Amino acid sequence: NAGVMQNPRHLVRRRGQEARLRCSPMKGHSHVYWYRQLPEEGLKFMVYLQKENIIDESGMPKERFSAEFPKEGPSILRIQQVVRGDSAAYFCASSPPDRQTEAFFGQGTRLTVV
Amino acid sequence: GQNIDQPTEMTATEGAIVQINCTYQTSGFNGLFWYQQHAGEAPTFLSYNVLDGLEEKGRFSSFLSRSKGYSYLLLKELQMKDSASYLCAVLGGGATNKLIFGTGTLLAVQP
Repeated sequence: NAGVMQNPRHLVRRRGQEARLRCSPMKGHSHVYWYRQLPEEGLKFMVYLQKENIIDESGMPKERFSAEFPKEGPSILRIQQVVRGDSAAYFCASSPPDRQTEAFFGQGTRLTVV
Repeated sequence: GQNIDQPTEMTATEGAIVQINCTYQTSGFNGLFWYQQHAGEAPTFLSYNVLDGLEEKGRFSSFLSRSKGYSYLLLKELQMKDSASYLCAVLGGGATNKLIFGTGTLLAVQP
């Protein structure tokens, strides 16, 4: 049973480009959480998704950021028109339904905006 | 509001014992986690406390007092590989049950 898989591990984008970060949850996990970790800061909640549903996006910036978790395929965090301040590590965690205490984290995607 | 406080940095000696404290004020509470995170890597689960008291797991123990909004992580027989950030996180209540993290404590273990 593979763990939470995130790709790419490292992503470099120029200002104004789009970044797409992918997260494949563990087998049997239908809940996905995205967190952002800025340099020298703690992890900050961004969004919580179940299959085809956004449950809580209270941590998402209002503009340029979106997330989805389709019926088939990985969860995608999309950042449009990236800026230098978007440079961070983005972590995905997945859990089984109604058992958030069993959440596991992926290795993260380190986004660098140049 | 949501607030989780832990020291920014700590230093300890190989073979010693270190205690990392965490205080929290959150609108909901469904348990408290400790994670270990090495630089550039994913947080890895260390412990979960939802009831008051001490949970022991090998060299690591975690304590919770819900009435005081307080937890600590105790690391015994420190090894060099224990040098890492230790993250305290509260599982908030409500519909989303998201994790609320402190900024982490960077522990440096010295020979």
